[in-house]
Amino acid sequence: DAKTTQPPSMDCAEGRAANLPCNHSTISGNEYVYWYRQIHSQGPQYIIHGLKNNETNEMASLIITEDRKSSTLILPHATLRDTAVYYCIVRVEGIYNAGNMLTFGGGTRLMVKP
Amino acid sequence: SQTIHQWPATLVQPVGSPLSLECTVEGTSNPNLYWYRQAAGRGLQLLFYSVGIGQISSEVPQNLSASRPQDRQFILSSKKLLLSDSGFYLCAWSRTGGSPLHFGNGTRLTVT
Repeated sequence: DAKTTQPPSMDCAEGRAANLPCNHSTISGNEYVYWYRQIHSQGPQYIIHGLKNNETNEMASLIITEDRKSSTLILPHATLRDTAVYYCIVRVEGIYNAGNMLTFGGGTRLMVKP
Repeated sequence: SQTIHQWPATLVQPVGSPLSLECTVEGTSNPNLYWYRQAAGRGLQLLFYSVGIGQISSEVPQNLSASRPQDRQFILSSKKLLLSDSGFYLCAWSRTGGSPLHFGNGTRLTVT
C-alpha cells in the first residue's frame, strides 16, 4: 500500500468546516483513498472512500486532486463529537488480508473546540 | 442497515483461563468477517479472517483461534490466556470482495 502523510494534529471551532489533508504521492492507479476515524476507546469508524471523483455522504466530503496525489476530508459543520483521530489510507479493493492490509498510520488528531 | 455487535466491552481474565469473544453482524448476508487486535498507541494487527461458514484464515501464529459457526457469527477463543494476550480486540465485516471495513466497538481484554 502507498504511504500517506497527514498532519499530526489540527484544531477546529465548533460549527466550522474541518478540512483534513492527506498526501499520497505514490498512489497507484487502482488504489482507493479511504478515511476512517477513531474516537478514544472505540472501534474505528468508516467515513468515506473514493477513487478519483469527489465523493459526499451524510458524514463528510472527500476531495481528491486531479493527479490523485493528495486529498482532503471535509467535515462541513464540525461538532464536539467529531473530536477523534482521523486516518487516511490508500489500498486496492479486495479482501483485507496479509497481501492487502488495512494499515493505520499516525493519523490526524482533530480537536473540535467550543 | 447493517450493524455489528461485539461483546463484552471489557473483560478481565486471569492467566491460564479460557476466552470467548463473540461478534455478530445484522442486515447483510455472507459477509467477510475479521478479528483485529490494536495495542495501545499502535496500529491494527489482523488476526483472523473468514470468507464463509467454517472457513478461517489465520494471519499471525498465536495463542488464539477463531470460528465461524454461522454466516454472521464470528468467535475469537483461547484455551489458556497469556499476559501478552491483553489488548483491544476488534471485530469487523466487509462485503464480499472487500470495500469498506466496518468495525465493532471492541473488547478491551486485560489478562492479569
